[in-house]
Amino acid sequence: NAGVTQTPKFQVLKTGQSMTLQCAQDMNHEYMSWYRQDPGMGLRLIHYSVGAGITDQGEVPNGYNVSRSTTEDFPLRLLSAAPSQTSVYFCASSPRRGAGNIQYFGAGTRLSVL
Amino acid sequence: AQTVTQSQPEMSVQEAETVTLSCTYDTSENNYYLFWYKQPPSRQMILVIRQEAYKQQNATENRFSVNFQKAAKSFSLKISDSQLGDTAMYFCAFNRGNDNTDKLIFGTGTRLQVFP
Repeated sequence: NAGVTQTPKFQVLKTGQSMTLQCAQDMNHEYMSWYRQDPGMGLRLIHYSVGAGITDQGEVPNGYNVSRSTTEDFPLRLLSAAPSQTSVYFCASSPRRGAGNIQYFGAGTRLSVL
Repeated sequence: AQTVTQSQPEMSVQEAETVTLSCTYDTSENNYYLFWYKQPPSRQMILVIRQEAYKQQNATENRFSVNFQKAAKSFSLKISDSQLGDTAMYFCAFNRGNDNTDKLIFGTGTRLQVFP
């Protein structure tokens, strides 16, 4: 009963390094998204996807890339990490396209950029 | 643009008592959805309750209920018979129905401490 799985749980990077945060769901959900959580700011949407092959930008997309080659996976790429990207990252999915669906979240990845 | 405001950064309540968390939002639209999510110390975000704006009836889930005041753009969460396991951050979130996506706009959260 995996749900939404994020790896790694913790990561430390140096400024300028690149990395990919992995997100996989086994519920055949169409919609997937990435949020970042910063102290005092709640969660903010980075990128989202309404289905395989379709992605779009959220509120804070700069510095991040995504792709959706399969229904199950939605990786988030940091091409050149910056200290401002230190945050907790959450992946979420929901069953179908459209509004108002319940979203299921992963356990998060805590990223520190030094 | 839509905004969600949670004006109580921290709240505390004694076990078995009732507590209400406030949330207000700003939108010019008529079709939207509202959510409360709970984030315990484990960090996992868990849905507490969901409200459809076109439904006048307030949503309830066991000990959790909402007071949805559409005209006032208010969506408060009432937790009855508080339990130690209710200790968590609580986030109010807004989804714009006309967007036809599940994009959420979150408030800044309220940290709830339930003490014995």
